[in-house]
This record gives sequence, structure tokens and C-alpha cells, in this order.
Amino acid sequence: GENVEQHPSTLSVQEGDSAVIKCTYSDSASNYFPWYKQELGKRPQLIIDIRSNVGEKKDQRIAVTLNKTAKHFSLHITETQPEDSAVYFCAAANDYKLSFGAGTTVTVRA
Amino acid sequence: NAGVTQTPKFRVLKTGQSMTLLCAQDMNHEYMYWYRQDPGMGLRLIHYSVGEGTTAKGEVPDGYNVSRLKKQNFLLGLESAAPSQTSVYFCAGSRGTSGANVLTFGAGSRLTVL
Repeated sequence: GENVEQHPSTLSVQEGDSAVIKCTYSDSASNYFPWYKQELGKRPQLIIDIRSNVGEKKDQRIAVTLNKTAKHFSLHITETQPEDSAVYFCAAANDYKLSFGAGTTVTVRA
Repeated sequence: NAGVTQTPKFRVLKTGQSMTLLCAQDMNHEYMYWYRQDPGMGLRLIHYSVGEGTTAKGEVPDGYNVSRLKKQNFLLGLESAAPSQTSVYFCAGSRGTSGANVLTFGAGSRLTVL
């Protein structure tokens, strides 16, 4: 099955700086790569996703890049704000089954 | 629209007891999933369903059973609870769109097994 590794497990950044989270996956057949954000005590919610035929996607302060050859993808958050503090999960999917990474706890310091 | 609703939100069980978690959705989701979330381990798939009357095993199915008798509902059962099943359980649903399978999660159910 699919194996998704996510790094780092924790990330502390100064407000206004950028944050980068990296993930690798094992199944070359995976074709969909979403990112979910989970605030403390809340449910995970989709923040951005990318399909396998696209190399980069941006939505305001967040962007995702995908390198299918190397089987890795990354989440970039620019100009971080206190409300960006949360746990972020990457995932990889082949059709309807999503496999998640272990998560990255991001803390934005004021 | 209620979205994806899980009941109960909290439950404490003794080892060996049984219980059922209910997931109900009104989003016409074809696919439904049960995940468990443990610290440092992300979300691990327990069982899933690709339509009414179907179920399949995920990554960590042992000790759990599921049923999807109606499209709207996906039940997760623990026949004989063990302390290792202490976790937060999330149900999720999706349209099952190939290449863009967006999951909508329920609010979670925190289960403690003593």
C-alpha cells in the first residue's frame, strides 16, 4: 500500500516568515495530493490540493508543489499569521483511498 | 445541511465492552471512511465503503467491524474493546471523484478504554 512520510514533525516560525512542509510517497500510481489543516480540537479540513498532472498550485498565501519523478510534494505558507498555527497533514491518493502523513505541528510565534 | 455527523462525541468503555459509533451524512456521499487519530501517527484508515452495502478493510482493521446498510450511514463497531483502541475516531465522506477525492470529516469521537 501507499506510504506517506512527512517532515518535519514540528515547526516553529516567527510571524511573517515562511513555513515549508515536505512529504514523500511510495506508490507511483498515486494521482491526487491534498493537504488538510486541523486546528486544536477540531476536524481536519482541506486547504489545498494538487492533481498529478500539475506541478504547482497557489491559493493566496499557500502553495503546493509536486515532483512526480522524485515522488515528493511540499506545502509552502508565506507571511505566516497566528491563525496558521495548527497541525497540517499531507496525503496521497490512488483513486478513492487516501493515505495520510503523520502530521506537522506548526506554531507561529508573535 | 448537517454535513457529516458522528455520535457519540465522547465515550468511556471498560476492557471487553462493546459499542458502536454512528456516522451520518446528508451530502449524498458515495464513499465513507473511518479513520483513527493517535498522537504522532496521523490519520490511519480502519475501514471504508464505496457504496451502500459495501465495506472494505483499510490499514488497521483488526478489532473493528463496519456496516453500511443505508447510503447515509456508516457504523463502526468494537466487539470487545481493548486499551489499544483508545483514540479519536473520525468519519469522513466523499463523492469519490477520481483524481480529486475531497474528504469531509465529522467532528470526531473520543473513545477511552480503561
